[in-house]
Amino acid sequence: EPEVTQTPSHQVTQMGQEVILRCVPISNHLYFYWYRQILGQKVEFLVSFYNNEISEKSEIFDDQFSVERPDGSNFTLKIRSTKLEDSAMYFCASGRQGVREKLFFGSGTQLSVL
Amino acid sequence: ILNVEQSPQSLHVQEGDSTNFTCSFPSSNFYALHWYRWETAKSPEALFVMTLNGDEKKKGRISATLNTKEGYSYLYIKGSQPEDSATYLCAPRSGNTPLVFGKGTRLSVIA
Repeated sequence: EPEVTQTPSHQVTQMGQEVILRCVPISNHLYFYWYRQILGQKVEFLVSFYNNEISEKSEIFDDQFSVERPDGSNFTLKIRSTKLEDSAMYFCASGRQGVREKLFFGSGTQLSVL
Repeated sequence: ILNVEQSPQSLHVQEGDSTNFTCSFPSSNFYALHWYRWETAKSPEALFVMTLNGDEKKKGRISATLNTKEGYSYLYIKGSQPEDSATYLCAPRSGNTPLVFGKGTRLSVIA
């Protein structure tokens, strides 16, 4: 069965550094999402992306965050200047037809900011 | 921000027991409700997407119901097995909000 893949599985970075988290969504999917979970807290929505532009974003997704679909297969999340509180598990998800159909999640990238 | 409540927060049952848990959400401008199972060290996996009031969906021993007028959904597991141990997340969408997850119900099935 097709799956969403995320790399790397773990990323350790120093505070203030830029990180790029990578995702390869399922090939015929049109809707893409980033979520994160800080340890012990609930899964939080960051951003949704459709038709090569951001369709929705949360308050968490400030100017330090950006998303890109550079080549029609990858979907990336960039954090420009990481903070300690950005440490979390970041999940990418994709869907075929928006929220009336299920989302497929990747296995996540554990980001640790030191 | 959409307020999603799941209860109980955690649950321990014996193998073979049936169990159920609740997801509550605002009923206004309801659009869809998702249920996901999230096993430790794996990615969340979709169980159901429900859109109509009165919807009932079933997948093996797991089923779900939806009441959009009062804003709740129940997830039932019949004859729980150890492999059902996971966190069960619900995520409603209402109006213009994105898909927002509850904190989940953590189920442990003891053999």
